[in-house]
Amino acid sequence: SQQGEEDPQALSIQEGENATMNCSYKTSINNLQWYRQNSGRGLVHLILIRSNEREKHSGRLRVTLDTSKKSSSLLITASRAADTASYFCATDASGRDDKIIFGKGTRLHILP
Amino acid sequence: GAGVSQSPRYKVAKRGQDVALRCDPISGHVSLFWYQQALGQGPEFLTYFQNEAQLDKSGLPSDRFFAERPEGSVSTLKIQRTQQEDSAVYLCASSLALRGGYEQYFGPGTRLTVT
Repeated sequence: SQQGEEDPQALSIQEGENATMNCSYKTSINNLQWYRQNSGRGLVHLILIRSNEREKHSGRLRVTLDTSKKSSSLLITASRAADTASYFCATDASGRDDKIIFGKGTRLHILP
Repeated sequence: GAGVSQSPRYKVAKRGQDVALRCDPISGHVSLFWYQQALGQGPEFLTYFQNEAQLDKSGLPSDRFFAERPEGSVSTLKIQRTQQEDSAVYLCASSLALRGGYEQYFGPGTRLTVT
């Protein structure tokens, strides 16, 4: 079963443009995380946002969380070729601290 | 090593064979997770350990799947009588915290192909 669902499933943009990916989830959460997976590589943690936070920044990444809409967005500014990857949101289930559930991911392709 | 390591990186098994996949977590990490990732999909939770205790195995697809972490460090995921639908990448992750809400560090995965 999957808690989070990313949108769009795939996204192609020109290098230098901003990329926005969205994640919707079903049940209340304690926190939401975003991960990146390059082709053939492992998953890398990008950012974690807790349910009492609305926005968080890390370098070129900006994550927002709207718990009333059960949604989150990941913005990558000034995209680079190296940002080409799949991006997954992962949520826990409120009251369940030990388990996170991943969505199906957004495949981002940065065009030169 | 600095990160999570998994071995083997690739495994080809004939249908019906048993396989064992190993995970070496980051030293000192209390929590260890196993995931199964099919092509084009997100990782699916299989099981979770806190030290040597297996606290959640609700994601294991069948009783052919078994995981252990006897000394609270290295973990092994065993699949008995492999089937073609077991073909996937098996990811291991470890986390410093006892609770969730902390980032998980993933290994490179073991790609299992059942022929």
